[in-house]
Amino acid sequence: DIQMTQFPSSLSASVGDRVTITCRASQGIYNSLAWYQQKPGTAPKVLLYAASTLESGVPSRFSGSGSGTDYTLTISSLQPEDFATYYCQQYYSTLYTFGQGTKLEIK
Amino acid sequence: EVQVAESGGGLVQPGGSLRLSCAASGFTFSSYAMSWVRQAPGKGLEWVSGITGSGVVTYYAGSVKGRFTISRDNSKNTLYLQMHTLRAEDTAIYYCAKGRGDGFNFFDYWGQGALVTVSS
Repeated sequence: DIQMTQFPSSLSASVGDRVTITCRASQGIYNSLAWYQQKPGTAPKVLLYAASTLESGVPSRFSGSGSGTDYTLTISSLQPEDFATYYCQQYYSTLYTFGQGTKLEIK
Repeated sequence: EVQVAESGGGLVQPGGSLRLSCAASGFTFSSYAMSWVRQAPGKGLEWVSGITGSGVVTYYAGSVKGRFTISRDNSKNTLYLQMHTLRAEDTAIYYCAKGRGDGFNFFDYWGQGALVTVSS
């Protein structure tokens, strides 16, 4: 199975900050990576796929980059509604795997 | 409007069985792969099982292989997860998730989840 290591596991930041979350795969996944946002008590919502393609309706302050085994999610200017938990997911292998999650909290 | 909605969750004793259903609407169900993803209380997401649009090919995480069976009825636009020999560690919210296409893909629509509690 492809292991996904996501860091940091938690992050405190303020409204307006720029934040970056990283996901590292145990082998190359050729940009087959999605990022999800999950708020308490709700299902995850896809933000980006193919490492850097913004899902329809997602604000442009979210962006993704990376290649090979290392990928990042960046939020350029945090808004109050962005405080949530974020997960990466590889879909290069059908034994899909998620990162452990990053909880983004208000400082 | 695309919708997926799980049902069938509940309390079951260790060693017991349960079947989850996921009713889909708003898209051509048979054209899309579907998966089950679970989340234990306070924990992260774990992909459990997936199935191609035709239902011919299925995939399982190692933690459930041999105990869970995924299937679909394209005439009823419904996805299923039959769970046997349930363990305490299977306690989780189980989400039904639609793939963007029929191949290897991310999940673009999720249900609200069904809670499965395995306890005596």
